[in-house]
Amino acid sequence: GAGVSQSPSNKVTEKGKDVELRCDPISGHTALYWYRQSLGQGLEFLIYFQGNSAPDKSGLPSDRFSAERTGGSVSTLTIQRTQQEDSAVYLCASSSQQGTEAFFGQGTRLTVV
Amino acid sequence: AQSVSQHNHHVILSEAASLELGCNYSYGGTVNLFWYVQYPGQHLQLLLKYFSGDPLVKGIKGFEAEFIKSKFSFNLRKPSVQWSDTAEYFCAVNARGDKIIFGKGTRLHILP
Repeated sequence: GAGVSQSPSNKVTEKGKDVELRCDPISGHTALYWYRQSLGQGLEFLIYFQGNSAPDKSGLPSDRFSAERTGGSVSTLTIQRTQQEDSAVYLCASSSQQGTEAFFGQGTRLTVV
Repeated sequence: AQSVSQHNHHVILSEAASLELGCNYSYGGTVNLFWYVQYPGQHLQLLLKYFSGDPLVKGIKGFEAEFIKSKFSFNLRKPSVQWSDTAEYFCAVNARGDKIIFGKGTRLHILP
């Protein structure tokens, strides 16, 4: 595709529900990142996929968070039993190879009520 | 593990003033360095990047940054800011072959 696509753009969910956020990276990009952006916290790294290597999950804040990348392309970030502190903008980015610039999607704004 | 520190969280300037945003990183090896910008309501976009070579890097919209290896710094500069530069600016670093880590960002507000 022309750019990184994320869906949905906005998601409102009730506390305790599970949510899935989707990311379609730029075609051919081997690296995919998930970040969380909240006011005053900048971009918090969550998880990094690079090709067929095991993902770097070191940024996931708790075991309620998980992500997968199917077929080296589309990625889904899942948050189980959502809490109010999970409210944030979740950003996905992709890059063509290790170490090069990342291209960002518009993000998914998650609100937990 | 690498980390990034941005010194200024919120900067307010008048148009035509000069700008310098500080960025320091911690990592002892070879790194790539980036500045990203997020204009209100828009997605993050690359302003400039340093991989190797000339440590003075020029980016879009008149921005430049200087990599000073001995100081682990990559400060962003612009000689004369415009109202349209109002945005949030993020410094980022990655060790070769590793994830990109971002700073907490600097909100820049330009007074017309």
